[in-house]
Amino acid sequence: DAKTTQPTSMDCAEGRAANLPCNHSTISGNEYVYWYRQIHSQGPQYIIHGLKNNETNEMASLIITEDRKSSTLILPHATLRDTAVYYCIVRGERGYQKVTFGTGTKLQVIP
Amino acid sequence: KAGVTQTPRYLIKTRGQQVTLSCSPISGHRSVSWYQQTPGQGLQFLFEYFSETQRNKGNFPGRFSGRQFSNSRSEMNVSTLELGDSALYLCASSLELGGQDDEQFFGPGTRLTVL
Repeated sequence: DAKTTQPTSMDCAEGRAANLPCNHSTISGNEYVYWYRQIHSQGPQYIIHGLKNNETNEMASLIITEDRKSSTLILPHATLRDTAVYYCIVRGERGYQKVTFGTGTKLQVIP
Repeated sequence: KAGVTQTPRYLIKTRGQQVTLSCSPISGHRSVSWYQQTPGQGLQFLFEYFSETQRNKGNFPGRFSGRQFSNSRSEMNVSTLELGDSALYLCASSLELGGQDDEQFFGPGTRLTVL
C-alpha cells in the first residue's frame, strides 16, 4: 500500500473550518484514501473515504486532487470535541494488508 | 448494534510471560484485524483474519499470533513478552475483506504493560 505524509500538528479556532492535508504521491489507481481520527485513549473512528471524486458526509468533506497525489480533509465548523489525531491512509480493495497508519496529524481546536 | 469489544481493557505482565487478548467484532462482521499502537511507531498492522483464516500479516515476529473462531471472535497471543511489547492493542472489524465501502470499526483497545 502507498505511504502517506501528514503534518505532525495543526491548530484551528473553534467554529472555523479545519483543513487537514495528506500527501500520497505513490498512490496507485485502485487504492482508496481513508481518513480516521483517534480521540485520546479511544480506538480510531472512521470519518470518510474516497477514490477520486470529492466526498461529503455528516462529519466531513474529502477533497482529492485530480492527480490523486494529495487530499484534504475538511471539518467545516470545528468544535472542541474535534481535537484528536487524524490519520490518512491509502489501501487497495482487498484487505488491510500491511496498512500503516503512521503518526497522523494532531489537531488542536482552540476556544 | 453493539460495537467492537475487547477484553481485558488493561493488563500488566512481566517479561517472559505470555498473554492472550480477546476481540468480539460487530455482529455480522466477518473480518477482524489487529493493530499495535505505541507512541514512537504509531498504529501498526499486525494481522487480519477472515473466515477463520489469516489473510494478511504485518512485519512482527512469530511471538505474535492469532486466531479466529467460527463466530468471528478473535484472539491474539503474544509469547515470551518483552518490555517493548508494552502498547495499546487495537482490534477492528469489518463486514468483508476490505471491499470498496468496507470501513473498519475499532474497539477501545487493550492496554498491555510489560514490567
